[in-house]
Amino acid sequence: NAGVTQTPKFRILKIGQSMTLQCAQDMNHNYMYWYRQDPGMGLKLIYYSVGAGITDKGEVPNGYNVSRSTTEDFPLRLELAAPSQTSVYFCASSYGADTQYFGPGTRLTVL
Amino acid sequence: AQSVTQPDIHITVSEGASLELRCNYSYGATPYLFWYVQSPGQGLQLLLKYFSGDTLVQGIKGFEAEFKRSQSSFNLRKPSVHWSDAAEYFCAVGPRSAGGFKTIFGAGTRLFVKA
Repeated sequence: NAGVTQTPKFRILKIGQSMTLQCAQDMNHNYMYWYRQDPGMGLKLIYYSVGAGITDKGEVPNGYNVSRSTTEDFPLRLELAAPSQTSVYFCASSYGADTQYFGPGTRLTVL
Repeated sequence: AQSVTQPDIHITVSEGASLELRCNYSYGATPYLFWYVQSPGQGLQLLLKYFSGDTLVQGIKGFEAEFKRSQSSFNLRKPSVHWSDAAEYFCAVGPRSAGGFKTIFGAGTRLFVKA
């Protein structure tokens, strides 16, 4: 099993550009999450999903959108990138409230 | 409000010394409790978890944690630290009930190991 995969690993965007961060899991987990990690700030939940077709906002959803059309995939869309979105983004999945399995992360810089 | 507090931003211990990382939480009911470890440039990996039963739980890499309900704490311990334990450690709490699910992570404690 590949676990949780994320692409790309690194990306530099200009202010105002858009992009999609890809996330896929092959563990048949029903729950999936997107977090951002800023230095010294721990993890902040952006969006989460409890199943295909069901998504909900986390702590810091502004500037982001998600969709979940399949169990496996949970892409994160950034519209009109801003410097405040410079961060490391982690996707994770779990079976219910149990252990979350994390991807390797995407390091995004907005200039 | 629900919260997780890791009072120590960073800790330095000598190799072979014992380690204790503190975690306190504020939650409506006894939550699920987790410790994760993050090595540089990587995602988080589960060290151990507490759902119910014995309040002393064993994890990977020789780590253990003890749940103390009266203190709302879930401190992580290791009797003898190895240089490879240098990493960032996150305590997390999650709800027992399905629906409205949001796990809360602490801000993390960075562990430095000196030779």
